[in-house]
Amino acid sequence: EVQLVESGGGLVQPGGSLRLSCAASGFTFTDHYMDWVRQAPGKGLEWVGRARNKANSYTTEYAASVKGRFTISRDDSKNSLSLQMNNLKTEDTAVYYCARANYALDVWGKGTTVTVSS
Amino acid sequence: DIQMTQSPSSLSASVGDRVTITCRASQGVSNDLAWFQQKPGKAPKSLIYAASSLRSGVPSKFSGSGSGTDFTLTISSLQPEDFATYYCQQYNTYPITFGQGTRLEIK
Repeated sequence: EVQLVESGGGLVQPGGSLRLSCAASGFTFTDHYMDWVRQAPGKGLEWVGRARNKANSYTTEYAASVKGRFTISRDDSKNSLSLQMNNLKTEDTAVYYCARANYALDVWGKGTTVTVSS
Repeated sequence: DIQMTQSPSSLSASVGDRVTITCRASQGVSNDLAWFQQKPGKAPKSLIYAASSLRSGVPSKFSGSGSGTDFTLTISSLQPEDFATYYCQQYNTYPITFGQGTRLEIK
């Protein structure tokens, strides 16, 4: 079964850091680009960023709202995707989903909740 | 950035109805357009990619069309499980962007 499982969410103060992880299983992780998408409470979906695969040099793309603060990385040996979030702001409060790109996003995890509050 | 505008933002319909949701891009995205369904408290589910290609396992009552800047999602014969929020997404140009969502409610 193709599966993505996020972890690492929690409560953090403004200016703090948090690292999210996404464990992938049931498919050839190295074949796919992987994305992070977030959803603030009661709001729509917002794309956060993408990590391309080894064949595309592991390059990354980011939304302007997180560029310079968030870093996406992947560990193909562990079938894992990460999102390092630094200098967190209250507006980063959201459910964070990892998703597989396969002609657009086709498989999504259940999400992990990040709350940025003092 | 490419702005994706969905209309309507909300829609009331009855079981058995056929509904159409429109998504307009602020500039051309070829056919790099996807549709997702999301139910409260759940992750989005992929319905359609490449504007009109149905994901495996998605019922054929869902259909998509369009190219360039104008796209539609049509759902025929609405059933109770279809009442949800629907999002379009362009993946032609970075940053990838979503529409604001269309909430489909039971009349």
